[in-house]
Amino acid sequence: GQNIDQPTEMTATEGAIVQINCTYQTSGFNGLFWYQQHAGEAPTFLSYNVLDGLEEKGRFSSFLSRSKGYSYLLLKELQMKDSASYLCAVMDSNYQLIWGAGTKLIIKP
Amino acid sequence: NAGVTQTPKFHILKIGQSMTLQCTQDMNHNYMYWYRQDPGMGLRLIHYSVGAGITDQGEVPNGYNVSRSTTEDFPLRLLSAAPSQTSVYFCASSYPGDANTGELFFGEGSRLTVL
Repeated sequence: GQNIDQPTEMTATEGAIVQINCTYQTSGFNGLFWYQQHAGEAPTFLSYNVLDGLEEKGRFSSFLSRSKGYSYLLLKELQMKDSASYLCAVMDSNYQLIWGAGTKLIIKP
Repeated sequence: NAGVTQTPKFHILKIGQSMTLQCTQDMNHNYMYWYRQDPGMGLRLIHYSVGAGITDQGEVPNGYNVSRSTTEDFPLRLLSAAPSQTSVYFCASSYPGDANTGELFFGEGSRLTVL
């Protein structure tokens, strides 16, 4: 079956760096997405990786290793507004998105 | 652009009632989706459409119907509400293509409670 695994919850300190991991087993691979979802709101797009390596976008970076079925989202210089859930999703061979359950990130002052 | 607009934001239904969640987008996106989101689970696809006049089932289609008469609108109908359909529903749209990632644009969500 298809599976996306990510930690349920993480805690980090304002100003620090946090890495949220995502491992996947899917039928084929056509890209990996990270979305941010604040409580009570809709998910919003953060990043897309289809080739191995690191994609940097401001304070956020996303890494992909297709051979290992692994990605991470790196958040630097954490701010209180980064408190949210982070959703990992993989597009399979049928171009369907398979979603992880999300990682709730709690930022402490 | 308003993006993706879905209504209502909140609704309480009685068991056995039917209702329609409305979704409209003004980005001329071909693809539209309905997801449900439940605690501790990933987003699950209910139905989707790749264009006007075309719909298909997702992972959890039972108890729901959709139609796509125009590019803009993609309503979701609950046929006979059950407590298991208590959830947050998200409509989304995308424009897959070589020039972009095919990222999803979500509506604000509809929180549905079935009592």
